[in-house]
Amino acid sequence: EAQVTQNPRYLITVTGKKLTVTCSQNMNHEYMSWYRQDPGLGLRQIYYSMNVEVTDKGDVPEGYKVSRKEKRNFPLILESPSPNQTSLYFCASSLTGRGRVEQYFGPGTRLTVT
Amino acid sequence: AQSVAQPEDQVNVAEGNPLTVKCTYSVSGNPYLFWYVQYPNRGLQFLLKYITGDNLVKGSYGFEAEFNKSQTSFHLKKPSALVSDSALYFCAVRDKDSSYKLIFGSGTRLLVRP
Repeated sequence: EAQVTQNPRYLITVTGKKLTVTCSQNMNHEYMSWYRQDPGLGLRQIYYSMNVEVTDKGDVPEGYKVSRKEKRNFPLILESPSPNQTSLYFCASSLTGRGRVEQYFGPGTRLTVT
Repeated sequence: AQSVAQPEDQVNVAEGNPLTVKCTYSVSGNPYLFWYVQYPNRGLQFLLKYITGDNLVKGSYGFEAEFNKSQTSFHLKKPSALVSDSALYFCAVRDKDSSYKLIFGSGTRLLVRP
């Protein structure tokens, strides 16, 4: 089954404790992206990757890191989480297709930082 | 600046009645427009898209959307609502400056009552 998986689905942590949210897709997509969803704000892009070893900042990259060492994986790293990073996080992937193709989303990771 | 607006936080409709979820956009040139749906505890699922051609676009689950260039709108419609259509709906437009980035609206919660 074609899908994007994220782990963990739920995470409660404390300020300053490094964490990683994994994302994996099995569709051989070049493009991958991380979003955060906050009430009333829709989804905002954190980082994206056009292909292996190619990553760039989105609209809200502060406090986050990413890497793309393999085509299928795109982990999101919070080196020192803070309460304002409490949010619902989504990973997405797509073919390139000049922006004409839809993105496939993972099930989401709900993060709480206390 | 490019943007997407969903003017209604919530839309209430009775089962069997037609539904409309509104979306307006602001982007230079020809837009690529998308609708996604988010069911509780799930990721976003693609519904339909407008790239070019016929202004009336048909998508999944009986939904359709009409692209109106003069009114810069892309409203989502369904002739007969189902209780199972109750979910959070997001309109998105491709960012002209970054081919694969989506700019999302704030979302509209659709509640279909039996």
